[in-house]
Amino acid sequence: KNEVEQSPQNLTAQEGEFITINCSYSVGISALHWLQQHPGGGIVSLFMLSSGKKKHGRLIATINIQEKHSSLHITASHPRDSAVYICAVRSPVIAGGTSYGKLTFGQGTILTVHP
Amino acid sequence: DVKVTQSSRYLVKRTGEKVFLECVQDMDHENMFWYRQDPGLGLRLIYFSYDVKMKEKGDIPEGYSVSREKKERFSLILESASTNQTSMYLCASSLRGNSPLHFGNGTRLTVT
Repeated sequence: KNEVEQSPQNLTAQEGEFITINCSYSVGISALHWLQQHPGGGIVSLFMLSSGKKKHGRLIATINIQEKHSSLHITASHPRDSAVYICAVRSPVIAGGTSYGKLTFGQGTILTVHP
Repeated sequence: DVKVTQSSRYLVKRTGEKVFLECVQDMDHENMFWYRQDPGLGLRLIYFSYDVKMKEKGDIPEGYSVSREKKERFSLILESASTNQTSMYLCASSLRGNSPLHFGNGTRLTVT
């Protein structure tokens, strides 16, 4: 079983629909990231959160630490939202006397929004 | 804005060749990372570096080595490329241990 599981793997929506992507994890974390990857490869960080809820424009990310679960919501979806959305959890690791956050990634959710 | 630049977007190499993938960041970040991304497997960490000349193995270091001679540059080396190293390679950097990651645009490597 993967340490980070996303659902669904593929999601198709009509423009304007409300979209939810889920992420469950099984390890202790210091933070959780939601990332967006457009065709061509570049990855952009959308949110980094360790508790509660964050909102940026039409995007909302929530996390429930006790349940080890996070959701990414997109309100009023648009074709330009079509991308792969990746959940990643950050676990503290000590290397060379320095603490750094090791990221473990989910497999990604492919979102397609049709006009 | 932080810029992480990978030297090539697409690369085609032959089996057995030595391959260098270069990554440069312009924001004096301490940490740099190399990932590979494969369908169904997500991103997996190959190596990372937390300081100049310092490196640590990630989850899948076999067949790879890295070099960090200057703070801004982190190179991934495939000593003898094999077809199972055909993949998308992504470089990332972060200011310090728990800072957000900034990714490059990726290099799609094909080994024939």
